[in-house]
Amino acid sequence: NAGVTQTPKFQVLKTGQSMTLQCAQDMNHNSMYWYRQDPGMGLRLIYYSASEGTTDKGEVPNGYNVSRLNKREFSLRLESAAPSQTSVYFCASSDKTGTNQPQHFGDGTRLSIL
Amino acid sequence: AQKITQTQPGMFVQEKEAVTLDCTYDTSDPSYGLFWYKQPSSGEMIFLIYQGSYDQQNATEGRYSLNFQKARKSANLVISASQLGDSAMYFCAMRDWDYKLSFGAGTTVTVRA
Repeated sequence: NAGVTQTPKFQVLKTGQSMTLQCAQDMNHNSMYWYRQDPGMGLRLIYYSASEGTTDKGEVPNGYNVSRLNKREFSLRLESAAPSQTSVYFCASSDKTGTNQPQHFGDGTRLSIL
Repeated sequence: AQKITQTQPGMFVQEKEAVTLDCTYDTSDPSYGLFWYKQPSSGEMIFLIYQGSYDQQNATEGRYSLNFQKARKSANLVISASQLGDSAMYFCAMRDWDYKLSFGAGTTVTVRA
């Protein structure tokens, strides 16, 4: 039972470098999400995809782009990394039907921008 | 606007005792869901319990129960018979009409032997 798989688990980048974080889920969920977690701030939504073929901005989208490659995969791209993007990134998925569906999270990617 | 408020940054509890984690929320949508997640030091997010806005009874899952007071917009998590493995960060979250989750800042629980 893989659930939600994120790669890589850790990454160090230099300012200005680009990088794509990968996420795949095997639960046949319609909706997928990208969050960042900073100390003392909980999780904040970056982008989400309510269903295959759609993406929308969340609370903190600046500096990021996403691609919903297919129903299983949802990637997050940093085009020009900045130190302010140092964070732990979580991917999540859920079945969109109703408000009672919990989101299932990957194990996170720890990203440091130097 | 802040949708979820967790006012307790950290709490200590003695092993085998119960602990209550506070959560208040803000929404004008009559249909919403409230979730609690656990994040141990290893970092993963673990779903614990769910309460729907129309549910008549408080949700329970094993040692976890939710004290849902709709008029006060409160959804407190109660952990009974605390164990050392309960030491973690706990997040309250709400999902309303747009199906997105809004998270609180979290409460760190430390269980003492």
